[in-house]
Amino acid sequence: AQSVTQLDSQVPVFEEAPVELRCNYSSSVSVYLFWYVQYPNQGLQLLLKYLSGSTLVKGINGFEAEFNKSQTSFHLRKPSVHISDTAEYFCAVRKAGGGADGLTFGKGTHLIIQP
Amino acid sequence: DTAVSQTPKYLVTQMGNDKSIKCEQNLGHDTMYWYKQDSKKFLKIMFSYNNKELIINETVPNRFSPKSPDKAHLNLHINSLELGDSAVYFCASSQDNWGGYTFGSGTRLTVV
Repeated sequence: AQSVTQLDSQVPVFEEAPVELRCNYSSSVSVYLFWYVQYPNQGLQLLLKYLSGSTLVKGINGFEAEFNKSQTSFHLRKPSVHISDTAEYFCAVRKAGGGADGLTFGKGTHLIIQP
Repeated sequence: DTAVSQTPKYLVTQMGNDKSIKCEQNLGHDTMYWYKQDSKKFLKIMFSYNNKELIINETVPNRFSPKSPDKAHLNLHINSLELGDSAVYFCASSQDNWGGYTFGSGTRLTVV
């Protein structure tokens, strides 16, 4: 089984400042990693995913994440945030390969952008 | 066209009732899922289903059952609703070539 830990439940950041949202995972097998964003009262939107290859993954809205196998981490970063980035961010994992396995989510990080 | 659509968006019902939530995807994906998001926004998988296997999260009460009439639909039936079933339920779909999981906009279920 896999598990995900998002160390910060809430991260306040000033507008135009950089941000890093932390995610660590645990798994005895190879995994795929994902970051999703949930805006208030909406569904989940995929920001980016890591399946294999380059450990630096670029996603939508200027976000990127780096897979670090030795540290079992997949931290999300953005160099300059905007008010519109205020949302809940979820890191998720599933075992690599095909099949009907779903995602295991972290508890989420609420990103609060302060003007 | 909405890729993954759920109906209804809101559902308010009394304890003890039986209700269904419908989900349809037009992406041609092979696998569909149901997730539950509780009041603290924690997301937990309930079921995943494709034409080969049904995976059930062992913590899901057997009052919950998925029904798939065809590859594009996965409905969620809930019997004898309880107050603790109040949550947002998300449907999702995925394809084995790993474009990621696509989520519906959710159904907010309130049991009174």
